[in-house]
Amino acid sequence: EIVMTQAPLSSSVTLGQPASISCRSSQSLLHSDGNTYLSWLQQRPGQPPRVLIYRISNRFSGVPDRFSGSGAGTDFTLKISRVEAEDVGVYYCMQATQLPYTFGQGTKLEIK
Amino acid sequence: EVQLVQSGAEVKKPGESLRLSCQASGYSFTDYWIGWVRQMSGKGLECMGIIYPGDSDVEYNPSFQGRVTISADKSITTAYLEWSSLKASDTAMYYCARLRATYSGIYYYVMDVWGPGTTVTVSS
Repeated sequence: EIVMTQAPLSSSVTLGQPASISCRSSQSLLHSDGNTYLSWLQQRPGQPPRVLIYRISNRFSGVPDRFSGSGAGTDFTLKISRVEAEDVGVYYCMQATQLPYTFGQGTKLEIK
Repeated sequence: EVQLVQSGAEVKKPGESLRLSCQASGYSFTDYWIGWVRQMSGKGLECMGIIYPGDSDVEYNPSFQGRVTISADKSITTAYLEWSSLKASDTAMYYCARLRATYSGIYYYVMDVWGPGTTVTVSS
């Protein structure tokens, strides 16, 4: 199983300031079809998760452009350019390159 | 509107059986995988397994294989997660989620639609 490791596990950010979350996989997420199936999800308090980013850097439909993803191989990053109050929640990276699909431990984002 | 509607909260005793349901609407049920995801209280997400309702192909996470059964009834566009003998450690929130693999020629492999979740409490 591919192990996903996120850092930090919690982050306190001032409104309007940037935030960054790292995700590292225990092996390369490059699929044999040439794609890398690394996505980012947001879980607001009391809600189910929702997808923000797919295939490393592609914003999903309806996701604000302050969210961006980058990386390759085993190292990936989610960035929020200017944190807003509605961004509070837990962020997860997820790999779907190899079964079983696995998630990072989650990073809790709070407002300072 | 694409929607996954999950069955209501359950309170069970250890050793009892349980089946959770996840009814899909608004899309072609047989064309997308559906996954079951466990979230224990205050913890992260774990994908228990996925099912392709088109042919009922199931891929279990080895950590859950033998403990649960995932199935689907395409005649009523519903996926199921089932236990034959619950344990206290099965207490958790369980989500079903649709897996978008490809769409309009684009590869996604993301869980793009989630149900609201079903809370399961197992206690004597």
